[in-house]
Amino acid sequence: AQKVTQAQTEISVVEKEDVTLDCVYETRDTTYYLFWYKQPPSGELVFLIRRNSFDEQNEISGRYSWNFQKSTSSFNFTITASQVVDSAVYFCALSEANRGSTLGRLYFGRGTQLTVWP
Amino acid sequence: DTAVSQTPKYLVTQMGNDKSIKCEQNLGHDTMYWYKQDSKKFLKIMFSYNNKELIINETVPNRFSPKSPDKAHLNLHINSLELGDSAVYFCASYAGSSTGELFFGEGSRLTVL
Repeated sequence: AQKVTQAQTEISVVEKEDVTLDCVYETRDTTYYLFWYKQPPSGELVFLIRRNSFDEQNEISGRYSWNFQKSTSSFNFTITASQVVDSAVYFCALSEANRGSTLGRLYFGRGTQLTVWP
Repeated sequence: DTAVSQTPKYLVTQMGNDKSIKCEQNLGHDTMYWYKQDSKKFLKIMFSYNNKELIINETVPNRFSPKSPDKAHLNLHINSLELGDSAVYFCASYAGSSTGELFFGEGSRLTVL
């Protein structure tokens, strides 16, 4: 069973629209971490955020915001007033922390390709 | 200075050849990883080393052999390359539980002809 599901394979929006990328995860661990990474066309993986399972506070960073809801096992990512430079593949990932030294082991979703048109 | 550097960035080779990808991190981290990104962009862990010791081997074929001469380096050697090995290989260095961040290299695109 997939631990991280990103149901949206591709999303297209026009500049200045808001867009939400969905992420649903599955784990039996009580302590875990959730991540979002951005992969622009140049190919590198850019770290956006890490959230631990005990911190359900939503987070805002500029035009980016994240909504973590343990009740629905979701960690959604919203970009407000999207820009062309936001075009990238966005990955949600899970790390299960009850296993000591494998904390850096990430289970990735299959990614959402976001295209922002001018 | 690049935190996690991989070489080469691009590698084109013939089936059956043996090739290596090198990775170095200057962050002082103890744990390093290799991840594979296939043609559909799916990222999956291959190996993890903690202080030169193998701690994760994710059912990767024996043709793949990681080598860690010291904790700052984790190289990936691939024998008898197959078409299906074509992918982008990412090295990563783990910052530890305090931040939980995984620092990725820029990736090495391997194309097997």
